Amino acid sequence: GQNIDQPTEMTATEGAIVQINCTYQTSGFNGLFWYQQHAGEAPTFLSYNVLDGLEEKGRFSSFLSRSKGYSYLLLKELQMKDSASYLCAVAGGNTDKLIFGTGTRLQVFP
Amino acid sequence: GAGVSQSPSNKVTEKGKDVELRCDPISGHTALYWYRQSLGQGLEFLIYFQGNSAPDKSGLPSDRFSAERTGGSVSTLTIQRTQQEDSAVYLCASTLRQAPNEKLFFGSGTQLSVL
Repeated sequence: GQNIDQPTEMTATEGAIVQINCTYQTSGFNGLFWYQQHAGEAPTFLSYNVLDGLEEKGRFSSFLSRSKGYSYLLLKELQMKDSASYLCAVAGGNTDKLIFGTGTRLQVFP
Repeated sequence: GAGVSQSPSNKVTEKGKDVELRCDPISGHTALYWYRQSLGQGLEFLIYFQGNSAPDKSGLPSDRFSAERTGGSVSTLTIQRTQQEDSAVYLCASTLRQAPNEKLFFGSGTQLSVL
């Protein structure tokens, strides 16, 4: 079967660094996405990893280890506006759709 | 259009009624996806279109759910004889082409409440 696990909720302080983990078990692998979703809004694309390693994009970085079935999203210099749900999604091998985890709700406090 | 547009944004209906949810993808996007998001759950895949064809309907929960796409553009998701468990946010997304590395552009969703 296909399974994606990520923590349900996390909290952090403004200005801090937070790491959101995602582990997956899928039939085949064609890349892993992270999306951000503010309450009541549409998910928006953050990152895509298909090769092992770290991809950095401003305050956000995403890491992938295919051998471990593991990814993380790293958010630096947290701002209040980063309070949102972060969705991990995997493109499997023989599927034409993304499989999403349940999302991690991040709350940033002053 | 500039983005993916969904209507209505909110729909309240009585159990047993039929509902139609509409999605206008980004102009030129050939692939269109429907997902469902229930409270505390991840996005659940329902159906996807490539052009007007639906190669993958595997996520439709029951035969009460159907979808069509016309002119390679607008899509309608129809739920017949709605049940309370159908209450959720229905999200539509489109991509320029169907490929594993294509990022999804989502609409803001239709919040469906079945009383």
